[in-house]
Formats: sequence, C-alpha cells, structure tokens
Amino acid sequence: EAQVTQNPRYLITVTGKKLTVTCSQNMNHEYMSWYRQDPGLGLRQIYYSMNVEVTDKGDVPEGYKVSRKEKRNFPLILESPSPNQTSLYFCASSPGFLLGTQYFGPGTRLTVL
Amino acid sequence: GIQVEQSPPDLILQEGANSTLRCNFSDSVNNLQWFHQNPWGQLINLFYIPSGTKQNGRLSATTVATERYSLLYISSSQTTDSGVYFCAVYNFNKFYFGSGTKLNVKP
Repeated sequence: EAQVTQNPRYLITVTGKKLTVTCSQNMNHEYMSWYRQDPGLGLRQIYYSMNVEVTDKGDVPEGYKVSRKEKRNFPLILESPSPNQTSLYFCASSPGFLLGTQYFGPGTRLTVL
Repeated sequence: GIQVEQSPPDLILQEGANSTLRCNFSDSVNNLQWFHQNPWGQLINLFYIPSGTKQNGRLSATTVATERYSLLYISSSQTTDSGVYFCAVYNFNKFYFGSGTKLNVKP
C-alpha cells in the first residue's frame, strides 16, 4: 500500500531533550516536506527536500533540522525542544513539486513541557 | 511569501445542501491543491488543480490562475463532509496553506 508513515504518533517530552520524528514514504517520491499545524494558522512548512541530499528552509525553520540521506526517509530533528514547538506535525511527499498532489502522513502530536 | 486566504472561515450546512468554498492567493502559482482534514486529523487529497475544472463525485473544483482564485464546490453535502478544507499553493519550491474553512454538516 502506498503510504507515508510517521513515528511516533504521540510524544510528550521536556524542554531541551533532543528528539527525532521519523518519516518514510514507499512511493519513490522526490519531494518531501515537514509541516506544523497550530490552531487558526493552517499548516506552515518547516523544511522541504527536492531530492536526496537537497534540503531547504520553509517558512518556519527555526529550532528544527532535517536530513535526506535516502530517498524514502526524511527525519525531523528538534535539537533542543521548547514549549513553543508544541504542535501537530505532518510529513508529506509528492512525485515532484509540479507533478501532482502531496500525500500526508498521519501526523505526530508533540507536547513539550 | 504568498498570502492564501480562504472563505468563509466557518460554514454550517444542513445535510443535502450545496456550498462553495473560495481560495484567493496573492501571486502566480505553479500548483494548487485542495485537502480535507477529517475530524480525526487525517489530511485527504481532494484535487490537484493548478488550472481548469475537475470533478470527483459530489465535489468539483475550478481554478482561474490568471485571476488568482480557486473554488471548491460541494453538492448534496453529507455529515461525512464535515471537517476543515484547506487549499495549498506552490511557488518557488515552497507550499503555502490557507487557514482553512471549517465545515459542519448537520443531519
């Protein structure tokens, strides 16, 4: 089944404790992206990747890191999480930025205390 | 970045009614998509529609790229249509989402 998976789905952590949210897709898509969703603000792009080893900042990259060592995986890293990073996070992939729609993972609800 | 405005922000319908959701954007875009976020938070693709008109069952969408807007039509609404509808546009490698239209369809 074609899908985007994220882990964990729920995470409660404390300020400053490094964490990684994994994202994997099995559709051989080139473009991958991370978003955060906050009430009333829609989804905002954190980072994106056009292909392996090619990543760039979205609209709200502060406090986040990403890597794209393999085509299928695009982990999101929070080196020192803070309470303002409490949010719902989505990973997405698409064949290419001009080729069709994005497919979203199920989301990761992160709470930073 | 591009500004994406959706209207109305909230919409309450009786089951069976029709509705039109609008998405305005502030600059030329290469890609426009409509999504539905169901009450469980899942984001579901509805349309990839950078221009023209598409239909899928009771839903259809039209994008007039030269005038910088897109419309999503829902006909004969059902309670399962409830949730939030987002449009997203793509420009210079980035995606920008509107704040969504929250739809509540009452039985």
